[in-house]
Amino acid sequence: DVKVTQSSRYLVKRTGEKVFLECVQDMDHENMFWYRQDPGLGLRLIYFSYDVKMKEKGDIPEGYSVSREKKERFSLILESASTNQTSMYLCASRFPGTVTGELFFGEGSRLTVL
Amino acid sequence: ILNVEQSPQSLHVQEGDSTNFTCSFPSSNFYALHWYRWETAKSPEALFVMTLNGDEKKKGRISATLNTKEGYSYLYIKGSQPEDSATYLCAFGHNFNKFYFGSGTKLNVKP
Repeated sequence: DVKVTQSSRYLVKRTGEKVFLECVQDMDHENMFWYRQDPGLGLRLIYFSYDVKMKEKGDIPEGYSVSREKKERFSLILESASTNQTSMYLCASRFPGTVTGELFFGEGSRLTVL
Repeated sequence: ILNVEQSPQSLHVQEGDSTNFTCSFPSSNFYALHWYRWETAKSPEALFVMTLNGDEKKKGRISATLNTKEGYSYLYIKGSQPEDSATYLCAFGHNFNKFYFGSGTKLNVKP
């Protein structure tokens, strides 16, 4: 059973704190993604990675950074959390070698920044 | 950012009703169109990945069609059941790394 696991389902942090969201996949996928989901908006891409140590900005990278030191792990970092980063964060992975490849998602991490 | 629109935003139907949703996307630079079902407290799961104009896919009571020339896809659910209650997301694939999501259609099926 393929799996994408996000480390925390719910987090509450204070403004200015550094926040780490971890994601691990067991499918040996090259591509991994971080999205955020806000009410009334579609999932928006923050960053993606197409290989170890390789990353590209998505559509809303401001205030975020990422780390991919191992193929199975993709971390999202909020250097200094702000209230407008309160959101649901979803990690996904995908095998890029076929056009029919779907995204596999984690269950999400709901972050509240006070 | 490419615009992907889904309609309606929400839908309330009775058990046994059939229903359909729409996903509109840009008609240029098409790579793939995905449909996902997202149940509360679970992860989104793929229903269909569609890549060719005119594609029709079916899984049980759920089916989908694709028109890449005019930029739309329909998702149909025949004889809705309470377990179909979920948010249905479509994602327009611009290339193998970029997928743009609509805001979803939230379906509630009443017993």
